[in-house]
Amino acid sequence: QSVLTQPPSASGTPGQRVTMSCSGSTSNIGSHYVNWYQQFPGTAPKLLIYKNNQRPSGVPDRFSGSKSGTSASLAISGLRSEDEADYYCAAWDESLTGAVFGGGTKVTVL
Amino acid sequence: EVQLVESGGGLVQPGGSLRLSCAASGFTFSSYEFHWVRQATGKGLEWVSVVTIAGDTYYAGSVEGRFTVSRENAKNSLYLQMNSLRAGDTAVYYCTRNRDNSGWDVWGQGTAVTVSS
Repeated sequence: QSVLTQPPSASGTPGQRVTMSCSGSTSNIGSHYVNWYQQFPGTAPKLLIYKNNQRPSGVPDRFSGSKSGTSASLAISGLRSEDEADYYCAAWDESLTGAVFGGGTKVTVL
Repeated sequence: EVQLVESGGGLVQPGGSLRLSCAASGFTFSSYEFHWVRQATGKGLEWVSVVTIAGDTYYAGSVEGRFTVSRENAKNSLYLQMNSLRAGDTAVYYCTRNRDNSGWDVWGQGTAVTVSS
């Protein structure tokens, strides 16, 4: 059972907007930045969003992040077939004195 | 090229030990904190440990007391000493870096650890 809660799956057709949530508590999301990672099967995760809503260079602006209170969300606009992957949220947890992940959301492009 | 390369994984019996290494290149190693993250086959990502720039260390509860993370700035290297290994430690182990809360922006390719008799 993950400390952060993500829906296990999300889907959309090409061009659609897909959003996914990440729910935590005051000890993690409520008091620390949220980062998002994209992972394709058999490969290392890739940083997608940091500090809640910042995109590293090279990440398309189709990807956006937001945070409110103890929840965060990731949105993919203009969904493309190459976006089909697993997406994980992560944050530091001050009660656990460690980083915590969500269980991951598998995005399927229909 | 900025790079992290893990090594040291393999097959080990329950109760055994293994030492993972992570070699860094292409950036100023001493300016970053480093984390270990693992992933069991078909499962999600699990944070394992961190060593800060100052050398402070923190661990997930599942490995506390059994794993030890360390860094050697002179060799641009990160280590994870894993003792009293259990079947539940079987996973691909990744090293990754962070600075100024800017996320884990560089990852190694991972090294597989299998704990089985």
